Amino acid sequence: EIVLTQSPATLSLSPGERATLSCRASDSVTSHLDWFQQKPGQAPRLLIYGASNRATGIPARFSASGSGTDFTLTISSLEPEDFAVYYCQQRNNWPLTFGGGTKVEIK
Amino acid sequence: EVQLLESGGDLVQPGGSLRLSCAASGFTFSNYHMTWVRQTPGKGLEWVSTISGGGDSTFYAESVKGRFTISRDNSKNTLDLQMNSLRAEDTAIFYCARRSLNWYFDFWGRGTLVTVSS
Repeated sequence: EIVLTQSPATLSLSPGERATLSCRASDSVTSHLDWFQQKPGQAPRLLIYGASNRATGIPARFSASGSGTDFTLTISSLEPEDFAVYYCQQRNNWPLTFGGGTKVEIK
Repeated sequence: EVQLLESGGDLVQPGGSLRLSCAASGFTFSNYHMTWVRQTPGKGLEWVSTISGGGDSTFYAESVKGRFTISRDNSKNTLDLQMNSLRAEDTAIFYCARRSLNWYFDFWGRGTLVTVSS
């Protein structure tokens, strides 16, 4: 099973600041890595697919990169609605696995 | 508009059974693999099971293999999850998700809560 480790667990930032989230895989997942945003009481929402492609309707302030085992999600300038939990997920191997999440909270 | 609506969540005793359903609309259901993902209260996300568009291939997490059965009815655009021998650790919100043609989860339902407790 591929284990995804997200860091940090919590990121305390102010609106307007840059957020950098990391996801590290225990083995290569090539580019089959996706990112989701989840707000309290809501279902996860797809942000990024294939390591670096923004999903439909996702603002340009969200960007992502990486391949193999190391991946990064960047929010260039945090908006109030961006404070949420972010999960990475790999679909390169069964079982499909999720990272433990990074909570981006208001400082 | 793609819509996924889960139902069937309830309070059930350990060892009991429950059947979840997901009603899909807004897309050609039979063209897509469908998946169940669960989230334990206050915790992260766990993939549970996936079924191919035609229903001929199924995949399960080890934690539910032999206890849960995923199925679909393409004539009714519904996805089901039959859960048997339920345990306290199965307590979670269960989400139905569509797997896009490029394999990522592009649409999710709002979830249904399953509580396993005596």
